[in-house]
This record gives sequence, structure tokens and C-alpha cells, in this order.
Amino acid sequence: QKEVEQNSGPLSVPEGAIASLNCTYSDRVSQSFFWYRQYSGKSPELIMSIYSNGDKEDGRFTAQLNKASQYVSLLIRDSQPSDSATYLCAVNSRDSGTYKYIFGTGTRLKVLA
Amino acid sequence: DTEVTQTPKHLVMGMTNKKSLKCEQHMGHRAMYWYKQKAKKPPELMFVYSYEKLSINESVPSRFSPECPNSSLLNLHLHALQPEDSALYLCASSQADGVQPQHFGDGTRLSIL
Repeated sequence: QKEVEQNSGPLSVPEGAIASLNCTYSDRVSQSFFWYRQYSGKSPELIMSIYSNGDKEDGRFTAQLNKASQYVSLLIRDSQPSDSATYLCAVNSRDSGTYKYIFGTGTRLKVLA
Repeated sequence: DTEVTQTPKHLVMGMTNKKSLKCEQHMGHRAMYWYKQKAKKPPELMFVYSYEKLSINESVPSRFSPECPNSSLLNLHLHALQPEDSALYLCASSQADGVQPQHFGDGTRLSIL
């Protein structure tokens, strides 16, 4: 059974701090990794994609991938109250020749003003 | 604004009704997905279409019937649903290469009376 694990939280950080969200996955052959942000009652919104080991930065967001440890993380710098949401980790996995996401359970982030 | 359009945004139906959810994308994506999402849970994959052919059915009850009339459209036909089918139904699309991310529509909030 292919799995993606996240701490469900809530993770509470003060405004302006760095929020660190973590995800581990079991499928060693996965090649594509994604972070989505989902506000309550809304649909998931793509934040970051990462495919290679190392760091990828986009504005206040940095995704980190370590395939040897099967670990992907998301750092949010200068956290804002508007960042309060559930963050979903998704790993692309092959099933009968078709690709599909394996989602983590999501981490709820609260940024305190 | 999302590039994946879902209609209707809200749907209330009785257990004996027949209705359809619609999804449209014009990004040239050849993979399309239906998800069901309950509150405080990650999206749960229902169906995957790849090049207009059903490639994954995650053991979904037959009261849900998907259809992909062409590469831009995806329908989900509903019949004799149960109250536990009340949820947010999400459509997504992506390239079929297993690398690019999925893009989600805004979803249809379905309530079964």
C-alpha cells in the first residue's frame, strides 16, 4: 500500500515566523511531488512542484526534497494570517500505467496575528 | 480564476433524482480526474480518464457513472445517491505524462436529502 504521511496539526506559528511542514512517502519510484494549499470549503490550489533533490524557492515558499530519505518539506517564510489553511502533500504514483496522486492527510496551519 | 470549470457550484438532490456534474478544461490536458472530499479529509480519488478512456476506477459504487465525451469535457452522472454521498466533488486535469501537476476546479458542493 503506497502511503504519504503528514502530521495533521494544527501547527501554530506566530506572524512573521517560518512554518515548516513535512511529508514522508513510501513509493521509492515516485518522481513528482506537489504541495497544495486548501482553504476551508475551497478547492486545492497548487503552491509548489518539485522533482529533483534539493531546494526549490518561489517567493516566500521553499520546497525541499530528499529522495534517499523519502521526505519532502515546505517552508513558509514570514508567515501571514492569510497562510492559515490546510497544506496537502501529493506524490505522483503509477497505477496500471496511469499516474495518480497519493495524498497525505494534510497539515492544518494556523498563523497567529 | 481556475482554468478547470465545474458546474453547478452547488447541488441539492433527493435520493431518487438523477443529476450530472460537469467539468471542462481548455489546457490541452489529456488526463482528467474526479475526486470526492469530505470535511477535514484529503480528496479521495474516484476515477481517472487518460486520453478519453477510463483508466482507473477506485471501486466506486455504480450510482456514480463517469463519462468523458471528448478531451475537454468530463461528466459525472448521479443516480439514487445516499445521504453519505454528500460531499465536495472535485474535478482536476493534468498532462498524462505523470510529471506535471493536477489543476483543480472549484468543485461542486453536493447535498443529498
